[in-house]
Amino acid sequence: ELKVEQNPLFLSMQEGKNYTIYCNYSTTSDRLYWYRQDPGKSLESLFVLLSNGAVKQEGRLMASLDTKARLSTLHITAAVHDLSATYFCAVGINTNAGKSTFGDGTTLTVKP
Amino acid sequence: GAGVSQSPSNKVTEKGKDVELRCDPISGHTALYWYRQSLGQGLEFLIYFQGNSAPDKSGLPSDRFSAERTGGSVSTLTIQRTQQEDSAVYLCASSSRGSSGRGPPREQFFGPGTRLTVL
Repeated sequence: ELKVEQNPLFLSMQEGKNYTIYCNYSTTSDRLYWYRQDPGKSLESLFVLLSNGAVKQEGRLMASLDTKARLSTLHITAAVHDLSATYFCAVGINTNAGKSTFGDGTTLTVKP
Repeated sequence: GAGVSQSPSNKVTEKGKDVELRCDPISGHTALYWYRQSLGQGLEFLIYFQGNSAPDKSGLPSDRFSAERTGGSVSTLTIQRTQQEDSAVYLCASSSRGSSGRGPPREQFFGPGTRLTVL
C-alpha cells in the first residue's frame, strides 16, 4: 500500500523567510503532483512532476522530485501572506492507473 | 472553458435519509474521482472511474456508498441511510491523459465540492 507523508503538517512563518515542505512516499512512483487549497475552497493544481530530477517553478514556489529517494520538496522563497494555504502532495503509481494517494497536507500561515 | 461542477453545493439531511451528489467533469476528461474531506483533514479517496474500465471502488467506506458514471461523463455518488459521520465535503475531480490519450494522467481538476451535513 502506498503511503504518503508530508512534513511539517503545520507551518507558521514570517514574510520574507524561506522554507521547505517535504513529501515522502513509500513505493516507486512515476508521477507526483502538488495542489493548493485555500480555506473553504477546493484544490487547485500547482505542479506536475513526471521524472527524476524534475524541477518546476512558479513565482515564489519551486517543486522538485527525487524518485530514487522517493522525495519531493516544495520550496517557498521570500514568503508573502498570499501564500497562506494548505498544500497537498499526491503520488501516483502505475502509469496505467489514474489513482493518486494524497498526503495529509501542510497548512502554511505566513505572518507579517 | 467550464471546469468541474458539482451539485448541490450544500446539502443538509436527516440521519437515515438517502442523498445523491452530482458531478459534471470537464468535457473530454476520461478519469473521474470522488474524495471525501472532513473538517481540517486531508482527502480520503472514495472511487475512481477511468473510461470504460471497471471503477476502482476500493475507497468506499461501506456498502451504503455507491457511485455510477453514465455515458462516460456525469457521475452520481449515492449515500444510503446517511449517518452523522458521513458529514463532510465531497469533492469530485477529473483528469485527462493528454492529447495522445495515453501516458500518465494529467493533474486532477477539482470541483467546488458538496458540503454534506447529516443531522
